[in-house]
Amino acid sequence: DGGITQSPKYLFRKEGQNVTLSCEQNLNHDAMYWYRQDPGQGLRLIYYSQIVNDFQKGDIAEGYSVSREKKESFPLTVTSAQKNPTAFYLCASSGRTGGETQYFGPGTRLLVL
Amino acid sequence: KQEVTQIPAALSVPEGENLVLNCSFTDSAIYNLQWFRQDPGKGLTSLLLIQSSQREQTSGRLNASLDKSSGRSTLYIAASQPGDSATYLCAVSRTTDSWGKFQFGAGTQVVVTP
Repeated sequence: DGGITQSPKYLFRKEGQNVTLSCEQNLNHDAMYWYRQDPGQGLRLIYYSQIVNDFQKGDIAEGYSVSREKKESFPLTVTSAQKNPTAFYLCASSGRTGGETQYFGPGTRLLVL
Repeated sequence: KQEVTQIPAALSVPEGENLVLNCSFTDSAIYNLQWFRQDPGKGLTSLLLIQSSQREQTSGRLNASLDKSSGRSTLYIAASQPGDSATYLCAVSRTTDSWGKFQFGAGTQVVVTP
């Protein structure tokens, strides 16, 4: 079955710690995205990548970093510089033609200890 | 900057009633618009994608319309069922770079009571 997987489902971060969220897709999509969702709010774009070895900042990139070394993978690191990391993080992908349907993973909930 | 608004934030209807969900956006120069469904604690599932050249899309009991000139889209769900209970989000693409970067509304939480 083609789709997007995210792991872990829940992640706990201690103060001052960097944590990495995994996102893998087997849909052969070129573009991948990371969004953050807070209660009662819409999704906000953190980073996106249109092709391997290239990525761009979204609206709220401060305190986050990404890499795109493989087409299938787009991990997100939440650094200690992100002072309010508690949120639901969603990864998505879409085909090369601009504006195609976005497919989402099941999400990772990040909590701060 | 594109702003997307969904009103109401929450809606409760009895089973069998038709659902009408609204989405408004401030910049009419869009590439496309997508409706999603989100169940609690889950990812988003795409329901319908409307290209800017289209006025509506249909899938089963779902119908979405798009009026770019007025900055509005409406999602109709016919003969609602308890399984339709979820949050519905509208997302509008950004025209300056159409690589699927969407601006999302906050969603409408729907409860269909048996």
